[in-house]
Amino acid sequence: DAGVIQSPRHEVTEMGQEVTLRCKPISGHDYLFWYRQTMMRGLELLIYFNNNVPIDDSGMPEDRFSAKMPNASFSTLKIQPSEPRDSAVYFCASSPAKGAAYNEQFFGPGTRLTVL
Amino acid sequence: RKEVEQDPGPFNVPEGATVAFNCTYSNSASQSFFWYRQDCRKEPKLLMSVYSSGNEDGRFTAQLNRASQYISLLIRDSKLSDSATYLCAVTFGGATNKLIFGTGTLLAVQP
Repeated sequence: DAGVIQSPRHEVTEMGQEVTLRCKPISGHDYLFWYRQTMMRGLELLIYFNNNVPIDDSGMPEDRFSAKMPNASFSTLKIQPSEPRDSAVYFCASSPAKGAAYNEQFFGPGTRLTVL
Repeated sequence: RKEVEQDPGPFNVPEGATVAFNCTYSNSASQSFFWYRQDCRKEPKLLMSVYSSGNEDGRFTAQLNRASQYISLLIRDSKLSDSATYLCAVTFGGATNKLIFGTGTLLAVQP
């Protein structure tokens, strides 16, 4: 089975540009999470969805960040405008709603974002 | 105080050594606890869940101390392949799907 798929894997952009990160969760998983990881702050939860509905966006740093999940198989995280301090690795993860793997989050390979 | 805290390390140990990591959490309402492993420049992967009674998986033993609000991970007979960052994760209070991660403890097993 395919795991969580993220694209692009690497993104280098200039300050002020719009950045869109994409995620395809594991089929059948009801929860989708967006995380950001930096050396200084570790792995931080930005937002998560249940059945395509945003449940908790309290980790979204500011209005420049937005996330959508138009259907069960696709989500985007957008940064507009981007700033150098947004440079980080962004992970998408998904988990099932019930069953033996309940609460286990499966992570995608991440998008390494560099804002110059 | 951070919600989940870990000693960042690095822990440098020789092959065959036993090493233990602790992780403290601040929210007494947290219900589920996990250890994840993250290799360099890779995504985190679940190593093991932590159950109230403690649990073991081969060379790995996880324990939970609710009274003192910490979880631990013990690795026996360390292998070179155990070198990685170990992240603890705790559910956010009663929210069963929101995980708060520690910043991770780096383990380097030396030959």
